[in-house]
Amino acid sequence: GAVVSQHPSWVICKSGTSVKIECRSLDFQATTMFWYRQFPKQSLMLMATSNEGSKATYEQGVEKDKFLINHASLTLSTLTVTSAHPEDSSFYICSTGRGANTQYFGPGTRLTVL
Amino acid sequence: GIQVEQSPPDLILQEGANSTLRCNFSDSVNNLQWFHQNPWGQLINLFYIPSGTKQNGRLSATTVATERYSLLYISSSQTTDSGVYFCAVPQGAQKLVFGQGTRLTINP
Repeated sequence: GAVVSQHPSWVICKSGTSVKIECRSLDFQATTMFWYRQFPKQSLMLMATSNEGSKATYEQGVEKDKFLINHASLTLSTLTVTSAHPEDSSFYICSTGRGANTQYFGPGTRLTVL
Repeated sequence: GIQVEQSPPDLILQEGANSTLRCNFSDSVNNLQWFHQNPWGQLINLFYIPSGTKQNGRLSATTVATERYSLLYISSSQTTDSGVYFCAVPQGAQKLVFGQGTRLTINP
């Protein structure tokens, strides 16, 4: 299966700052990547679908101006949390694959906003 | 959209015990996946199982698509089996919908 990495593994930032999270597909050309958010002791919720070379598709209720997604190459998608606040603290996970039946997940990034 | 429900939400067992985790889904699906999320957050795919039964070592899974449920069996549990088990079904071509998970704790 594909290998997916995320950077950083964890990040702590002050309220009001922006944080960028990288998701890399190391051995698979990812035309589509998915970004999930997981709050403590809760399930994964899809935030957005990242498409290489075009705009991301956001799920209902996710603010596209707050969660900026860039998918500039077949191996890299970035999620930028702009003007982060404590309620944005969460575990962010990316995935890629060949459709819903074949998804490979990154190790996740734990964001803490003080 | 499709709804996915898992039970039980929490399960605490002694090492060596067997367990059964259940996943119910509200609509017909062409696939179902079981994942294990380890204590560090990494999701590991256990099974792709649209129907029938599959086994992998101490783990096995059965999906009865006509009745819209799937079961994950863990036999002779080990402490390394601890974590959260999710089932997920596709909605559309690429989107995955996850259940709320079963948190399994195996005590030595």
